[in-house]
Amino acid sequence: AQSVTQLGSHVSVSEGALVLLRCNYSSSVPPYLFWYVQYPNQGLQLLLKYTTGATLVKGINGFEAEFKKSETSFHLTKPSAHMSDAAEYFCAVSDRGSGGYQKVTFGTGTKLQVIP
Amino acid sequence: GAVVSQHPSWVICKSGTSVKIECRSLDFQATTMFWYRQFPKQSLMLMATSNEGSKATYEQGVEKDKFLINHASLTLSTLTVTSAHPEDSSFYICSARSVGGVGTQYFGPGTRLTVL
Repeated sequence: AQSVTQLGSHVSVSEGALVLLRCNYSSSVPPYLFWYVQYPNQGLQLLLKYTTGATLVKGINGFEAEFKKSETSFHLTKPSAHMSDAAEYFCAVSDRGSGGYQKVTFGTGTKLQVIP
Repeated sequence: GAVVSQHPSWVICKSGTSVKIECRSLDFQATTMFWYRQFPKQSLMLMATSNEGSKATYEQGVEKDKFLINHASLTLSTLTVTSAHPEDSSFYICSARSVGGVGTQYFGPGTRLTVL
């Protein structure tokens, strides 16, 4: 079984400030980890993913996340928030699949507000 | 690359009618497609997983006779909501995973269904 916990359903930051969105996961096997962003009335866009290798993953729009196995965390950061970053962010975990079946579990989402 | 489209983007229908939603992978072949439902201010809930040429695997609690899924080709999956009722009103999002993909799902823009 796998699960994802996103701490904080709403996060507010000032424009230019550090963005930190927290994600902790639970998985019985080495996971794949993802961050997605969703703008209103739109689907999800992949920001970044961790599969294997380097634990610091860089994504689009200046975001990055670090896989910390000891802390079972995959927090999303951006050094300087931009107004266009205001959206909902979902952390997700996936097992590595067997028989072609792979299940992704999403967190409940964190809505990021950027204050001018 | 990795673009997924959905059609229609918004549909309003009368109670008792059936609605078909299409999900297409535009620039890649998708062996597996996923259908999600998202209620307002909530995360995505996986409804079913479909593999090309085989029957869909439905999540517990999802009525397979009500939500008919067909994955007839490597680029097209359809979700038909049969005999729709107001409680079926929701945001339906599909995603697709490419052949040999390592877990990354590419999401469509979603379809807003409103049943009157």
